[in-house]
Amino acid sequence: DTGVSQDPRHKITKRGQNVTFRCDPISEHNRLYWYRQTLGQGPEFLTYFQNEAQLEKSRLLSDRFSAERPKGSFSTLEIQRTEQGDSAMYLCASRRGTRGNENVLTFGAGSRLTVL
Amino acid sequence: AQKVTQAQTEISVVEKEDVTLDCVYETRDTTYYLFWYKQPPSGELVFLIRRNSFDEQNEISGRYSWNFQKSTSSFNFTITASQVVDSAVYFCALSEAEGTGNQFYFGTGTSLTVIP
Repeated sequence: DTGVSQDPRHKITKRGQNVTFRCDPISEHNRLYWYRQTLGQGPEFLTYFQNEAQLEKSRLLSDRFSAERPKGSFSTLEIQRTEQGDSAMYLCASRRGTRGNENVLTFGAGSRLTVL
Repeated sequence: AQKVTQAQTEISVVEKEDVTLDCVYETRDTTYYLFWYKQPPSGELVFLIRRNSFDEQNEISGRYSWNFQKSTSSFNFTITASQVVDSAVYFCALSEAEGTGNQFYFGTGTSLTVIP
């Protein structure tokens, strides 16, 4: 169990460019989440996968955002035509299930995006 | 709708003082989970405790204790004899019932600074 890994840890890009973040969850965790956190705020839910199925998407996830989890293992979050308002920390989390001790989110260290 | 409120934005205490972080939640579910997470300066959210809505027993873990009161919809967190290493942002979170809703709702966090 190596924890939740996210890559890259930091990304600086110019407005209008596309960026992609990757998340590798804990191997036995079939539920994967993406959150966004801005300065002074708590994590805000973006989207959720159970295995490879994307089951929920937040209103925060505009058409420029797309997330995939093609084989039910790692996930990618792509932001197209980035805007300065996209600057934030993008957090990935996973959990094994929804019952009892499985119902705990384990977070990665996050991918910090700065859009110039 | 589910909501978590952490009214204390920032708290500073002198080392060895006790400090209580407040959390008030709103939910229409009768079954739900409450959580506390710690986010140190390194950025990774670390799970501290999970409580289900049927278990109002207070819990103590070393210098940490949690007071869950359904009557006031509160889940407060006390650190006894605070240490510099406790300096971090602390988030309270709420998740929906087992097997149903999938989102975790986070408060805006309380930034704790312990002064040596």
